[in-house]
Amino acid sequence: AQKVTQAQTEISVVEKEDVTLDCVYETRDTTYYLFWYKQPPSGELVFLIRRNSFDEQNEISGRYSWNFQKSTSSFNFTITASQVVDSAVYFCALSESGGKLIFGQGTELSVKP
Amino acid sequence: EAQVTQNPRYLITVTGKKLTVTCSQNMNHEYMSWYRQDPGLGLRQIYYSMNVEVTDKGDVPEGYKVSRKEKRNFPLILESPSPNQTSLYFCASSFPLAGGPAREQFFGPGTRLTVL
Repeated sequence: AQKVTQAQTEISVVEKEDVTLDCVYETRDTTYYLFWYKQPPSGELVFLIRRNSFDEQNEISGRYSWNFQKSTSSFNFTITASQVVDSAVYFCALSESGGKLIFGQGTELSVKP
Repeated sequence: EAQVTQNPRYLITVTGKKLTVTCSQNMNHEYMSWYRQDPGLGLRQIYYSMNVEVTDKGDVPEGYKVSRKEKRNFPLILESPSPNQTSLYFCASSFPLAGGPAREQFFGPGTRLTVL
């Protein structure tokens, strides 16, 4: 069965620190998709990135970067030089073929000035 | 403006009183889904729909019903709500890819439901 684990429930950092949010997944499929979503205090869910299982290239978008490693079934998310506006709950999610989407429990990131 | 709308945004009701939460999208997406969000549990999928008249159970379907008669609408029905269905509910939609929700999902603003 598919499963997503975000072991870090809460992380607190001081502004300008780098922070990595961990995501470990389980799936039997060879074709699958991984996502990260952000939920700021206002409550909406914001898409950050999608990765398919055939593309292990790491991705960087501004201060955000993602490290996808199939060998360890991990899809970790790093924020460089964190800012107060990065404070949010971050969700990792997994989709196989067939329509189901499984979210992790979420990591609440608090960035203090 | 491309969006997913949900109504109502807030609802307080009593045990056993049937209710419907509506969800509508204007992006012509085939895929739609309902999630509930509870502290410490993240988002859990209730039902999803790959297209009109095609619905399937997610991980926590008990106590819920859905229908997909039109592409743009995907209402969530609670026939006999109970207090354990008190939660924050999100509707989402996307274009599918290879049979699943492989594209980014667009989420509605959420419906906060309290069942007394």
